[in-house]
Amino acid sequence: EDKVVQSPLSLVVHEGDTVTLNCSYEVTNFRSLLWYKQEKKAPTFLFMLTSSGIEKKSGRLSSILDKKELSSILNITATQTGDSAIYLCAVEAYNAGNNRKLIWGLGTSLAVNP
Amino acid sequence: GAGVSQTPSNKVTEKGKYVELRCDPISGHTALYWYRQSLGQGPEFLIYFQGTGAADDSGLPNDRFFAVRPEGSVSTLKIQRTERGDSAVYLCASSLTRGREQYFGPGTRLTVL
Repeated sequence: EDKVVQSPLSLVVHEGDTVTLNCSYEVTNFRSLLWYKQEKKAPTFLFMLTSSGIEKKSGRLSSILDKKELSSILNITATQTGDSAIYLCAVEAYNAGNNRKLIWGLGTSLAVNP
Repeated sequence: GAGVSQTPSNKVTEKGKYVELRCDPISGHTALYWYRQSLGQGPEFLIYFQGTGAADDSGLPNDRFFAVRPEGSVSTLKIQRTERGDSAVYLCASSLTRGREQYFGPGTRLTVL
């Protein structure tokens, strides 16, 4: 069965710290891996990764995919209280009917204390 | 519009009632997805539309759930004979086309009493 596992489940840091969030997956017919930030109700898109070894960067956030290890990391440098959220990892794969769907991890709950 | 919009933002209903949840995707996005999310869980896939047709409805939990997208834009998720277990946040997402990143609406929080 396809699955996405994120670690740690929760993390508490101080402002200015750097954090690394992990996402590993076991899926057949991998298509892409996506990171989302969820603060209130809806996830906000961060990154989409399809190729191994190519880092995507947006401000203090960066992410990279390792297809050999079936994993991805999301880095946040110089954390701020506004980074407090649940970070969701999702893997897009083909299902049995050859349709694409997202398989979601449970998320990492990040709390950044001032 | 600038983003995906969903109405209502909150819906409280009684067990056994019928509800409709609406999603207005980003203009020009052909793919539309419905998810539901319970507390502490990741979004659970329900159904995916490509244009007007339901390309994948394998996530609908049972025949009380139905969704339409008659003109390839706005979609309505319909739940008949609601049960307490249907309580969740129902999220809609759209993407430019299949395989592109999905952008989510704010969700509808459904509470079934």
